[in-house]
Amino acid sequence: DVKVTQSSRYLVKRTGEKVFLECVQDMDHENMFWYRQDPGLGLRLIYFSYDVKMKEKGDIPEGYSVSREKKERFSLILESASTNQTSMYLCASSSGLDEQYFGPGTRLTVT
Amino acid sequence: QKEVEQNSGPLSVPEGAIASLNCTYSDRGSQSFFWYRQYSGKSPELIMSIYSNGDKEDGRFTAQLNKASQYVSLLIRDSQPSDSATYLCAVRTSYDKVIFGPGTSLSVIP
Repeated sequence: DVKVTQSSRYLVKRTGEKVFLECVQDMDHENMFWYRQDPGLGLRLIYFSYDVKMKEKGDIPEGYSVSREKKERFSLILESASTNQTSMYLCASSSGLDEQYFGPGTRLTVT
Repeated sequence: QKEVEQNSGPLSVPEGAIASLNCTYSDRGSQSFFWYRQYSGKSPELIMSIYSNGDKEDGRFTAQLNKASQYVSLLIRDSQPSDSATYLCAVRTSYDKVIFGPGTSLSVIP
C-alpha cells in the first residue's frame, strides 16, 4: 500500500511566522503535490514537483514556496503566515499523471 | 464554465438503495477519470479509475464513462450508512493536469 505521511495533523501558528509542512511518501513516486482545501472552494493546487529539485506552480502559489531535496520528501513553506492561509493542507503523490494518493492532511490555523 | 462540475448535494438516499453521482467535464480530450471518497475531516481516498467508455465494476461500485457526452458517473449499489461521505470526481485533461471537481455530499439514511 502507498503510504503518504504529513508531519502534523493540527498546527496553530501566529501571523507572520514561517511555517513548514512536511510530506513523505514511501512508494518511490516521482510526482508530489500540495493542495489546500477550503469549504466551497474544493481542492486547489498550490505547487507540484515531478522530480527532485523540480517544481511547478499550481493555481494558487502566492505566499507559498516548496522544497524537494529528496525524492520521498516534499515540503511546503509559508514564508510569512497570514490568517487567509488558515486551511486544510493535503499532500499527494503519484507515479505518472493519474492516480494520486493523499496524506492525512494538516489542519493549519493562523491566528 | 468550470472544468469539472458536480452537483454539490447533499444527495440523500435510503439504506439499500442505489446512489448515483454525476460529473461532467469540459475538456473533450480528457484521458483518465477518477472517483475519490472523502469522509468528514479526512483526506480523499481513491476508489475507482476509468479510462475507456462504458462501465467498470468493483464490488458495489460502478463507474460509467461516456466521452461523447463528457460525462462520468459513479453508482453505489446497496448503499450503506458507511458510504456517507463527499465524493470527488477528478479528470486528467489533455494537457496532463488533474482537475478535481467540487464534490458531491452523499448521505445514506438508515
